This record gives sequence, structure tokens and C-alpha cells, in this order.
Amino acid sequence: GEDVEQSLFLSVREGDSSVINCTYTDSSSTYLYWYKQEPGAGLQLLTYIFSNMDMKQDQRLTVLLNKKDKHLSLRIADTQTGDSAIYFCAESGRTNAGKSTFGDGTTLTVKP
Amino acid sequence: DTEVTQTPKHLVMGMTNKKSLKCEQHMGHRAMYWYKQKAKKPPELMFVYSYEKLSINESVPSRFSPECPNSSLLNLHLHALQPEDSALYLCASSQEGAVNEKLFFGSGTQLSVL
Repeated sequence: GEDVEQSLFLSVREGDSSVINCTYTDSSSTYLYWYKQEPGAGLQLLTYIFSNMDMKQDQRLTVLLNKKDKHLSLRIADTQTGDSAIYFCAESGRTNAGKSTFGDGTTLTVKP
Repeated sequence: DTEVTQTPKHLVMGMTNKKSLKCEQHMGHRAMYWYKQKAKKPPELMFVYSYEKLSINESVPSRFSPECPNSSLLNLHLHALQPEDSALYLCASSQEGAVNEKLFFGSGTQLSVL
């Protein structure tokens, strides 16, 4: 079946850039998403990219997609303590219509 | 209004109790979802309603019973739960439940089964 993998932890200093990586296996994936979950809250959609795009930028967030390697990354510029959260990569495509497949999440810790 | 509202925020129930979780959205979305999330894990899909009809049931035990009274409301009826059912239950909605849609999540109900 479809699989999405992420590294579990990332720690950065405030003001640095954070890069969270994700790999996926479903070649029919057409949308890839990044969700953020803060403690005690639900998931919040941060950004998404369509599979025919290589890059998408939205303020401090940059998403890079390497479709050949099935690799997705999320770069957060000027990381702040409020960015500390769990970040989930997710994909949806023709093989899982109506569902999104989530990675295990990367816990980002931002140190002052 | 871009919110998905879930009630209650916290629920403690015994294994013989019957309770219900509620979810509401007013974004005009026609697909609504129930997810179960254990601590430090990704959400696991339970049910999907599309245009008020159950379209996906991920082999969820019958002690969980979903209901979609109208396009804005989604309920999850709970009966005879087990301690391992303790988790965060998340409701989500999307525009139509098609292949490529963004999910909007509520804040969840933290359920403890004693």
C-alpha cells in the first residue's frame, strides 16, 4: 500500500531555517500536503503542492518536490518558538481516493 | 467561518456508558470525516461521509457508530468502548471528498475510557 515516511525529530535554534523531509511511495500521488499540530489541538493545513509543481513558496514556508525521487521537503525560514509542533506530511492520489495517507510526523523543537 | 467545531473537548466514560461526539462545520463542505489519533501518532481514518452518505468505513468496530444528520453535522455514537479506545478523536471536513482535497480539522475530543 501507500507509505509516507518522515524523520521523527528536528531541533533548531530560533532564527535558523528548519527543513523537514518526507518520502512517499505512491506514484499516483497528485497532491502533497503539510499539516501542523500543536499540543492539544487538531491538525492545521499549512500548505500543499500539486504534483506537477517543483516548488511553492508561501511567506516563510517553501515546499520543494522532487517527483522522480518521491521526496518532499518543507523549509521554514526564520524559525520561531511558535513553530514548535508536530509536522505531518500527507499525500492523496488515485489509489486512495477520498483518503489522505499521513506520515508519522516530525516533532520540531525550536530553542531560544 | 473556516472552523470545524467539536464537542465535548474532553470526555471520560466507563465501558458500559453510551456517549456521543459532535462535530459541526458551516463552510458548505460536503464531505466529513472521523479520525482517531493516539499520542505522538498520525491520525487514522475511521469514517468518511460524502453528501451525507457513508462512503468509507475503515473496518471500524461496531461499538463506534457514525451518523450524519445533515451536511453540516456529524456525530459519533460510542457504546461499550474498551480502554484501548482512549484517544483523541478528530473530525474533519473537505469540499467534496474527492481525490485531492484539503482537510480542515477540528480541535478534537480527548476521550478516556475507564
